[in-house]
Amino acid sequence: GAVVSQHPSWVICKSGTSVKIECRSLDFQATTMFWYRQFPKQSLMLMATSNEGSKATYEQGVEKDKFLINHASLTLSTLTVTSAHPEDSSFYICSARDRVFYNEQFFGPGTRLTVL
Amino acid sequence: QQQVKQSPQSLIVQKGGISIINCAYENTAFDYFPWYQQFPGKGPALLIAIRPDVSEKKEGRFTISFNKSAKQFSLHIMDSQPGDSATYFCAASRTYSNTGKLIFGQGTTLQVKP
Repeated sequence: GAVVSQHPSWVICKSGTSVKIECRSLDFQATTMFWYRQFPKQSLMLMATSNEGSKATYEQGVEKDKFLINHASLTLSTLTVTSAHPEDSSFYICSARDRVFYNEQFFGPGTRLTVL
Repeated sequence: QQQVKQSPQSLIVQKGGISIINCAYENTAFDYFPWYQQFPGKGPALLIAIRPDVSEKKEGRFTISFNKSAKQFSLHIMDSQPGDSATYFCAASRTYSNTGKLIFGQGTTLQVKP
């Protein structure tokens, strides 16, 4: 089956630092990758959609200068949380849309970010 | 119109029972309806999905029932097991949209008691 990996699985950082999270589709090419944020006991909140080689499209209310997304290839997207603050602490999940099975999104295992 | 409403918020079922989770949508342009299962600290995993051209789809113990006229779909888990205890999300999307964004329901926390 289609596998999406995320790295790191968890990260703790100090307030004011930047953190980069990688999302890779391991055995398929992803036309589109998505980044979500999830708070405890809540649903997934879409932050942005990225297509390979083009700028990400951010959802309303998501600061694009704070959450930098780069989609460098058909198998890799990165999310950088710049100048992180405690309120950025959350569970970040990426997903990738298969080029062949167009509708299906395959999710990564998530990254737990804690900002001290 | 973009919302997907999911109920109940939480559900407790005895082992061997049937778990039923319901979702309703407004946007008739939606044509793909997946269900995801999420365990604590993990990403969601696709369980089963349906398109509007069929009214029911079954995979093992999991069945989606789809009512196009009512704009509702539901997940039935037959012979529920403690290992099914997780959070379940319904979602909807449009196949030919530019982004293929999934619109998620609010989630249902299922607890299956031994």
